[in-house]
Amino acid sequence: QSVLTQPPSASGTPGQRVTISCSGSTSNIGSNSVNWYRQLPGTAPKLLISINDQRPAGVPDRFSGSRSGTSASLAISGLQSEDETDYYCAAWDDTLNGVVFGGGTKLTVL
Amino acid sequence: QVQLVESGGGLVKPGGSLRLSCAASGFTLSDYYMGWIRQAPGKGLKWLSIISDDTYYTDSVKGRFSISRDNAKNSLYLQMNILRAEDTAVYYCVRKAVGISWSAFDIWGQGTMVTVSS
Repeated sequence: QSVLTQPPSASGTPGQRVTISCSGSTSNIGSNSVNWYRQLPGTAPKLLISINDQRPAGVPDRFSGSRSGTSASLAISGLQSEDETDYYCAAWDDTLNGVVFGGGTKLTVL
Repeated sequence: QVQLVESGGGLVKPGGSLRLSCAASGFTLSDYYMGWIRQAPGKGLKWLSIISDDTYYTDSVKGRFSISRDNAKNSLYLQMNILRAEDTAVYYCVRKAVGISWSAFDIWGQGTMVTVSS
C-alpha cells in the first residue's frame, strides 16, 4: 500500500488529453512539492515534472503538473503512442521523514 | 557527461550482506544530496535512503542498510546487511536535484539487480 494514491491505470486516444491524479495527505503533498517520473520499460525512471509544475529541460510542454491541497495531477495533452508507459508521483513526507511514491499509473494509448 | 553507474548487485542468501557502489561522473558528488531507490520485480518505486549532511532511511531498512559516500572517489555506497527475500529488487542510485524539493531526483543510474534467495 503506497502512501500516495494513484490510479493503477489510465487510457486515452492519440491527440487526447489525459490526467493522472496523485492523492496524499497534509504531511506530504499538503506541505511539500510533488515530482512526477516517467519510466519506460526496462529503463530507469526520468524526472518529468519537478516542484509541482516545472518542466526540466527537454520535457515537452505537452506535459504539465499541478498541485492543490493534498492532491496533485499530471496532465498530458496531444497524447502520443510513445506516452504509453508508467508514471509515478513522489513527495517528501514530514511524518515519515522520507520520500514517498505513488504506486504508479500505467498509461495506455488506445 | 553527467552519469551514475551502479555496481555490486548479485545473488545473496537470506541473512547475508552486500555492498552497492555508485560511481558518479560529470559532476562532483559532494555538491549534491544523493540517495538510493529500489524497484521490486513488477512493482513500483520505493525510496530507501538519502544522504545530505545527515542520513535518512525508510523504516523497513533502518538498522540494516547504511548509506555513505567517498568524496575522494566521487562515489556513493549502500551497505546492506541482514538481507531478506523482500529486498530483492533493482537498486537505483539517484542524485537529488538542486533546490528545495527533496523528492526531485534528476539523475538516475541504470540500476543494479539484487536477488536474495537461498
